[in-house]
Amino acid sequence: EAQVTQNPRYLITVTGKKLTVTCSQNMNHEYMSWYRQDPGLGLRQIYYSMNVEVTDKGDVPEGYKVSRKEKRNFPLILESPSPNQTSLYFCASSFSFRTAEWVDTQYFGPGTRLTVL
Amino acid sequence: KNQVEQSPQSLIILEGKNCTLQCNYTVSPFSNLRWYKQDTGRGPVSLTIMTFSENTKSNGRYTATLDADTKQSSLHITASQLSDSASYICVVSAGNNAGNMLTFGGGTRLMVKP
Repeated sequence: EAQVTQNPRYLITVTGKKLTVTCSQNMNHEYMSWYRQDPGLGLRQIYYSMNVEVTDKGDVPEGYKVSRKEKRNFPLILESPSPNQTSLYFCASSFSFRTAEWVDTQYFGPGTRLTVL
Repeated sequence: KNQVEQSPQSLIILEGKNCTLQCNYTVSPFSNLRWYKQDTGRGPVSLTIMTFSENTKSNGRYTATLDADTKQSSLHITASQLSDSASYICVVSAGNNAGNMLTFGGGTRLMVKP
């Protein structure tokens, strides 16, 4: 089954304790992205990756790191989490970031609810 | 600055009724517009994608329209069902070569009551 998986689904942690949220897709997609969703603000992009070893900042990258060492995985790293990073996080992937001939959809993971105390 | 505005913010309708959700955008250059359905606690799922040349597209009981001149889109839901209760998100893609090309609307939260 084609899917995007995230782990963990729920996490409660304390300020300053490094954590990693994993994201994996089995569709051989080139493009992967991380979003956070907060009430009243909608989905905001944190980082994206257009292919292996190619990553770039989205709209709200501060306090986050990512890596793309292999095509299927795109972990989100919080080196020193703070309470303002309490949010619902979504990983997404698509075949490419954009094609001229056709428009592809973006598949979202189930979400990770993070609470930083 | 690219922006996507959705209205209404929330909507309550009775099962079986129709409803229309609105999306206005100021994204340039425009590439495509997507509607997503997001159930509570789940990731968004794509309903439709429309490019500049398309002005209507259907997916079952969901019909999206696009007016690229006025930069408006609507999502019409016919014969609503309880399972349509969700947030509906309008997403506009900018026609540039950067990967951060998606601008998300704040969503419309729809509740369908029996």
